Amino acid sequence: AQSVTQPDIHITVSEGASLELRCNYSYGATPYLFWYVQSPGQGLQLLLKYFSGDTLVQGIKGFEAEFKRSQSSFNLRKPSVHWSDAAEYFCAVGTSGTYKYIFGTGTRLKVLA
Amino acid sequence: GAGVSQTPSNKVTEKGKYVELRCDPISGHTALYWYRQSLGQGPEFLIYFQGTGAADDSGLPNDRFFAVRPEGSVSTLKIQRTERGDSAVYLCASSLTSNTEAFFGQGTRLTVV
Repeated sequence: AQSVTQPDIHITVSEGASLELRCNYSYGATPYLFWYVQSPGQGLQLLLKYFSGDTLVQGIKGFEAEFKRSQSSFNLRKPSVHWSDAAEYFCAVGTSGTYKYIFGTGTRLKVLA
Repeated sequence: GAGVSQTPSNKVTEKGKYVELRCDPISGHTALYWYRQSLGQGPEFLIYFQGTGAADDSGLPNDRFFAVRPEGSVSTLKIQRTERGDSAVYLCASSLTSNTEAFFGQGTRLTVV
């Protein structure tokens, strides 16, 4: 069965520091992988997605993620965090052809000034 | 409007009552999804519409939950005999086709007291 694990429930970083949010998935075939961000009172916004090809994916707001098949991981990174990045981040795995996703439980990011 | 619109934004109902949650997708989007997000969890898939028909309703938890999309645009999620465990944020998303990016609404927060 498909599943997504985000092992860090909360992460706190200082503004300007680098960030890595972890995501591990379980899926029998090549997965479609996504990272979404959810700010308070806002809907989910797509940061980036991986379908195939280059395993390093660039997204919006300066985020990137790397697909590592051998580790079943799709970690999200940002070299320098801004205070406005404070939000909850969700990793998701999907099947081809639809946006029927399995989401992780999320990682809440706090940014210290 | 430009985005996915969900109404109401908040709904408080008594246990045992019937509720309807509405989703207005982005104009022209043929695919529509409902998800449920419980406190501290990631969104969970409920149902997917392609046009007017429910292409996949495997995520509906039981027969108290039902959704319709009679004209292939607006969708209504209906919950009968609500239970306290139904309290959650109900998210709607739409996409141009089934394999293009899905855009999420801000959700309806349902509280069953």
